[in-house]
Amino acid sequence: QVQLQESGPGLVKPSETLSLTCTVSGGSISNYYWTWIRQSPGKGLEWIGYIYYSGNTNYNPSLKSRVTISVDTSKNQFSLKLNSVTAADTAVYYCARLVVTAIGRAFDVWGHGTMVTVS
Amino acid sequence: EIVLTQSPGTLSLSPGERAALSCRASQSVSSSYLAWYQQKPGQAPRLLIYGASTRATDIPDRFSGSGSGTDFTLTISGLEPEDFAVYYCQQYGGSPWTFGQGTKVEVK
Repeated sequence: QVQLQESGPGLVKPSETLSLTCTVSGGSISNYYWTWIRQSPGKGLEWIGYIYYSGNTNYNPSLKSRVTISVDTSKNQFSLKLNSVTAADTAVYYCARLVVTAIGRAFDVWGHGTMVTVS
Repeated sequence: EIVLTQSPGTLSLSPGERAALSCRASQSVSSSYLAWYQQKPGQAPRLLIYGASTRATDIPDRFSGSGSGTDFTLTISGLEPEDFAVYYCQQYGGSPWTFGQGTKVEVK
């Protein structure tokens, strides 16, 4: 069974770069899309962006200028970098797998989430 | 941006009762691109329904999804104790992908 685990600093200073990694275990990162989502009390659930295992990306336009998502297939990991952070970026960050089928799309496997505070 | 408005904000029901949760989109959304998630305190969201009406793996058949265009509904046919949680709809039809603000189903 595929499992995801987020890792990275829980505290980031304003104007610096937030960096998180998601490790995929129990399955291969290949042939899937992988995504980052965050959740804050003020903004609810917010989709950040996704990456295909081949490296193609798609970002939320509201964050596009500050976000980079990358993948390392050799380590079965993908990563998030969000630069120039402010207090508004304080949230629980989730990584998730995106499945694309003939019926529809969905985030079918999620990590437990990691709290990141900007202060 | 497609805005998803969920109603009611809170639903107070007893175990065994039927719950109907609404998700209304500001623009038409293809049924293929509408999903529902359940979230319990301290946990990540869990996929319930995708393609508006297809249950995800291992989801009990008391959960059902319906709707099209701008109006979608998640129905729980008989609430079990473990079903009291927050439910979110999400659309993948327009960029950016967006979530509703959630409906909390609480014990009456």
